[in-house]
Amino acid sequence: NAGVTQTPKFQVLKTGQSMTLQCAQDMNHEYMSWYRQDPGMGLRLIHYSVGAGITDQGEVPNGYNVSRSTTEDFPLRLLSAAPSQTSVYFCASRSVTGGRYNEQFFGPGTRLTVL
Amino acid sequence: AQSVSQHNHHVILSEAASLELGCNYSYGGTVNLFWYVQYPGQHLQLLLKYFSGDPLVKGIKGFEAEFIKSKFSFNLRKPSVQWSDTAEYFCAVRGNNAGNMLTFGGGTRLMVKP
Repeated sequence: NAGVTQTPKFQVLKTGQSMTLQCAQDMNHEYMSWYRQDPGMGLRLIHYSVGAGITDQGEVPNGYNVSRSTTEDFPLRLLSAAPSQTSVYFCASRSVTGGRYNEQFFGPGTRLTVL
Repeated sequence: AQSVSQHNHHVILSEAASLELGCNYSYGGTVNLFWYVQYPGQHLQLLLKYFSGDPLVKGIKGFEAEFIKSKFSFNLRKPSVQWSDTAEYFCAVRGNNAGNMLTFGGGTRLMVKP
């Protein structure tokens, strides 16, 4: 298993540009989520999905869109990048079958800079 | 809503010193508690977790944490740190429901001097 993979690893955008951060997992996990990591603020949840076709907002959803057309993929879209979106983005997944005794697995992260 | 507070933002220790990182949470029900570690340039890895049972939880690399329900705390400890423990440590909480979100604390950056 490759686990949770993310592309790209690094990205520089200009204000107003759009882009999609890719996330994929090969563990057949139902639950997938996107976090952003900023110094001193830990990880904050942007959006999450409990299964294909189902998405919901987390703590800081503004400026980001998601979709979940397959179990494996959960892309994060920035429609019009802003400097405030400069951050490190982590995708995560976990199984929800079997209840709460399930570890969350994280991808390697994407470091995004918006100029 | 659940929240997590980590008291120390930066900790500097010498090798062989003992470590304790504080974590307090707020949540109205039963919780699952986690400590994650992020080594420089790497992604988050699970250090240990508490779901139920013995409140003293042992994790990887000699780390342990104690859940004190009355204090809403889940402090991380290690008797003797090594230079390789230099990393950022995150406490996280999830409500006792399979679909509930994981909420992270702000993180503690640990530097161990050789």
